[in-house]
Amino acid sequence: AQRVTQPEKLLSVFKGAPVELKCNYSYSGSPELFWYVQYSRQRLQLLLRHISRESIKGFTADLNKGETSFHLKKPFAQEEDSAMYYCALGRLGGTSYGKLTFGQGTILTVHP
Amino acid sequence: DVKVTQSSRYLVKRTGEKVFLECVQDMDHENMFWYRQDPGLGLRLIYFSYDVKMKEKGDIPEGYSVSREKKERFSLILESASTNQTSMYLCASSETGDAYEQYFGPGTRLTVT
Repeated sequence: AQRVTQPEKLLSVFKGAPVELKCNYSYSGSPELFWYVQYSRQRLQLLLRHISRESIKGFTADLNKGETSFHLKKPFAQEEDSAMYYCALGRLGGTSYGKLTFGQGTILTVHP
Repeated sequence: DVKVTQSSRYLVKRTGEKVFLECVQDMDHENMFWYRQDPGLGLRLIYFSYDVKMKEKGDIPEGYSVSREKKERFSLILESASTNQTSMYLCASSETGDAYEQYFGPGTRLTVT
């Protein structure tokens, strides 16, 4: 069975400090991994996906198949990064296509 | 701009009542999803639909049913509401070509007393 684990429920950093939100997954196939973000009083939205290998709002995430991890990183956190972040795994094949398994979420707070 | 709307922002129901949560999307998306969001548990998929009148169970379908009579509308039904169904319910939609980029509604906070 597929599973996504975000070990940190809460993460606090100061503005300008590096930030890393951890995500580990278990999945028998070849995974597609995503990060979704929910800012205060806004809807949940896609932040980035591993397959695109791009930086969004200064965030990057590298898929490490050996460690089964997909950690989200930003070298210099900003106050506007404060939000709830969810790591998600996409299931492939047949009627599972499009189904996402989400982690528990990490609330990031960036202090001034 | 994709717009996903949910019929109510807040809802309070009594145990045993039948509850309908409605979701409408305006971008002609084939896929629609219902999740519940609980602190410490994240989002869990209840049901999804990849076409009109088609539905698939998600990870926690027990106590819920769905209806999709029109492409733009996906309804979640709690046949007999219970207190453990108190939660935030999120609807989402996506297109077949990129099913994983899901567009979410604002959510309905349901309280069952």
